[in-house]
Order: sequence, then C-alpha cells, then structure tokens
Amino acid sequence: EAQVTQNPRYLITVTGKKLTVTCSQNMNHEYMSWYRQDPGLGLRQIYYSMNVEVTDKGDVPEGYKVSRKEKRNFPLILESPSPNQTSLYFCASTLGQGHNSPLHFGNGTRLTVT
Amino acid sequence: LAKTTQPISMDSYEGQEVNITCSHNNIATNDYITWYQQFPSQGPRFIIQGYKTKVTNEVASLFIPADRKSSTLSLPRVSLSDTAVYYCLVGDTDLTGGGNKLTFGTGTQLKVEL
Repeated sequence: EAQVTQNPRYLITVTGKKLTVTCSQNMNHEYMSWYRQDPGLGLRQIYYSMNVEVTDKGDVPEGYKVSRKEKRNFPLILESPSPNQTSLYFCASTLGQGHNSPLHFGNGTRLTVT
Repeated sequence: LAKTTQPISMDSYEGQEVNITCSHNNIATNDYITWYQQFPSQGPRFIIQGYKTKVTNEVASLFIPADRKSSTLSLPRVSLSDTAVYYCLVGDTDLTGGGNKLTFGTGTQLKVEL
C-alpha cells in the first residue's frame, strides 16, 4: 500500500532532550516536507526537500533540523525541544514539485514538550 | 509571497451544494491551485487540483477565473461526512523556492448538519 509513515504517533518529552520524528514513504517520491499544525494557525511548512541531500527552509524552520540521506526517509530532528514546539506534526511527499502535484500526508505525530 | 485567504467557517445542511472561495492575489504564472480536506487528528487528503477554468472529479469541482486570483471549490450535495477543514494551497514561487515552498492558509471549517 502506498503510504507515508510517521513515527511515533504520540510523543511526550522534556525541554532540551533531543528527539527525532521519522518519516518514510514507499512511493519513490522526490519531494518531501514537514509541517506543524497549531490551533488557529493552519499548516505551516517547516522544511522541504526536493531530492536526496537537498533541503530548504519553509516558513518556520527555527529550532528544527532535517536530513535527506535516502530518498524514502526524511527525519525531523529537534536538537533541544522547547514547550513552544508542542504541536501536531505532519510529513508529506509527492512525485513532482510541491506546488503542482498532490501531496500525500502521514497520519501525524502529536508532540508535547514539558 | 503567495498567500491564500479563505473564510474561517461555513455551515450547510445535508444535500446542499457548498462553495468555498479562496483568494490568492499573488499566484505565480506556473502555480497550480490545490485543495485538501482534513478530518480531526488525520493528515490532509487531496481533493482536487487545477490551473485554469474548470476541473471536475468524482467528489468536487474547482472553478478558476481567467485572472486566477481566486478559486472556488464546489462540493455538490454535501453529507454529514463532509464536515472537515478545507485548505486551498498555491505554491510560493520565488527565486529561491521555485514553487516548492508551500504556504497553506488557515483553512475553512465546514460544518454540515441534518
């Protein structure tokens, strides 16, 4: 089944403890991206990647890192999480460019930082 | 920068046609317009995409005027299960992002009642 898989679905951590949220897609998509969703603010793009070893900042990249060593994986790294990074996170991928082909989203990761 | 504006919420009744309009005054020449549907605690799901005039699929129609500064998602004969948040998305084409940096709006919460 074609899908985007995020792990974990739920994560509770403490301030400053490094964490990684994994994202994997099995559709051979070139474009992958991360979003955070907060009440009243909609979906905001954190980082995106056009292909292996190519990553770029979205609208809210501060406090996050990403890597794209393999085509199928695009992990989101929080080196030193803070409470303002408590949010619902989504990973998405698409075959073409982000703006002209449909995005496939994962089921989300709900992160709580205390 | 491309930005979309949608109504925050809309109410409807089962069986009615619902039209949700999105404003995107700064859309770039090569950007497509894409609509997504999102249910609580799930990732957004692709509904329809278009570039100009009219596009129709099995679930919706998308109307885009000649100047492409707005678009209207039309849902025929809605049911309770269409209660969701609907997002309009255009690319953020600039010299650096090339349309791959994506800016979602805050979405429209559609509530369908009996």
